[in-house]
Parts: sequence; structure tokens; C-alpha cells
Amino acid sequence: QKEVEQDPGPLSVPEGAIVSLNCTYSNSAFQYFMWYRQYSRKGPELLMYTYSSGNKEDGRFTAQVDKSSKYISLFIRDSQPSDSATYLCAMNPTDKLIFGTGTRLQVFP
Amino acid sequence: DVKVTQSSRYLVKRTGEKVFLECVQDMDHENMFWYRQDPGLGLRLIYFSYDVKMKEKGDIPEGYSVSREKKERFSLILESASTNQTSMYLCASSTPDRDHNEQFFGPGTRLTVL
Repeated sequence: QKEVEQDPGPLSVPEGAIVSLNCTYSNSAFQYFMWYRQYSRKGPELLMYTYSSGNKEDGRFTAQVDKSSKYISLFIRDSQPSDSATYLCAMNPTDKLIFGTGTRLQVFP
Repeated sequence: DVKVTQSSRYLVKRTGEKVFLECVQDMDHENMFWYRQDPGLGLRLIYFSYDVKMKEKGDIPEGYSVSREKKERFSLILESASTNQTSMYLCASSTPDRDHNEQFFGPGTRLTVL
């Protein structure tokens, strides 16, 4: 079993939709949970991170962590074509990060 | 603004060639990483380095080596390139001063081995 599992998609939604991206993990020692966004032909960039359980909101983006279920989510409200990218979850037991395989999202006008 | 640069965006090499991929970061970060990214497999760690002249194997080090002679520069070496090393290679850096260990990535090098 992989330490971090992520549905690869692709996910295709119309502009304005609410998008839900998810990851599950197996190691209860993880404390920081991150979401990276990767545009085509670019390197990943950190979008948001959360410490332990709870929610964190940044504009149209909300990151949610449920440590009891070992489940994290990223919600995108009012999705825009510019949100089309691959989204990778990541977690860190140490200086190294463990990444999910990424979910490809396409938002069409 | 943190910047991680990689020497080439696209590279085409022949089987058996020795290949050097260079990465430079300008934020004085202690940690540097090399990943390869393949469809369906995500990011896989090849090697990482916590300090100058220090290196540790990641999950898939076979067929690769690294060099870190200066803090800002981390090189990935393919000793004898093979077709199964065709991939996107990403370099990243981070500092242990941040609790969440955010990694900053370069733009990637797409390597094709013929």
C-alpha cells in the first residue's frame, strides 16, 4: 500500500463548479499537509498547507484535514479555466516530502 | 523571490551517453532534491542532499549519481543513459527553518533518451 494515495483523474468541470480533490494516507505521524499546483510544462508550486486537523481557507481555495480518517481535501469554489493544472498533495514526516501522484484538473469555459 | 533554475528545459541524448543535469538555487537553502516525474507514477525521489558534499539515496537511485560541491548547486548524473530514463526531471530546494518543509521547484528538464 502506498503511503499517500490520490485519484489521478482527469477531472473535467465547467467554469464556476465546485471542485473537490482528495488524498488518503496511511502514516498517522504526518503533521503538515500541503497542496501543490503544477501548470503544464512547469514545476510544482505550493498552493497551501495545513498543520494537523482542521480547515484553512485562502480565497477560493479551502484545505481540509481529517486526521481521524487520514483523509485530506482541497476544495476550489467558483473554478476558473486558469485553475486547470495538476494538483499534488504532499506530506512530511521529515525534511523529505511524500507526494501523491497528482490529479489533473481541467476547467472548461 | 526564491529561484531554482535548471540548466536545460529539453534535452535529447543517445543510449549510453553520460548526462549531466544542473540545478542552482539562490536562497541559500540547505536541502536540495532531485525527482523524476512520470505519468501515473507521480514524483519519485532520486537523491537528496542536506549539505555540501552530503548525499542520500532516495527511492529510485539506480542508474543515477549526484554531486554537491557548492551549497547552491546540485547536479544529477546519468552515468550511462538508457531509454527507461526518459522522463521529466525536477530539482527542488528547501530549508529546515520552515516547519512545513516547503520545497521550491525548478521548471524541470524533459530528457529524451533515444
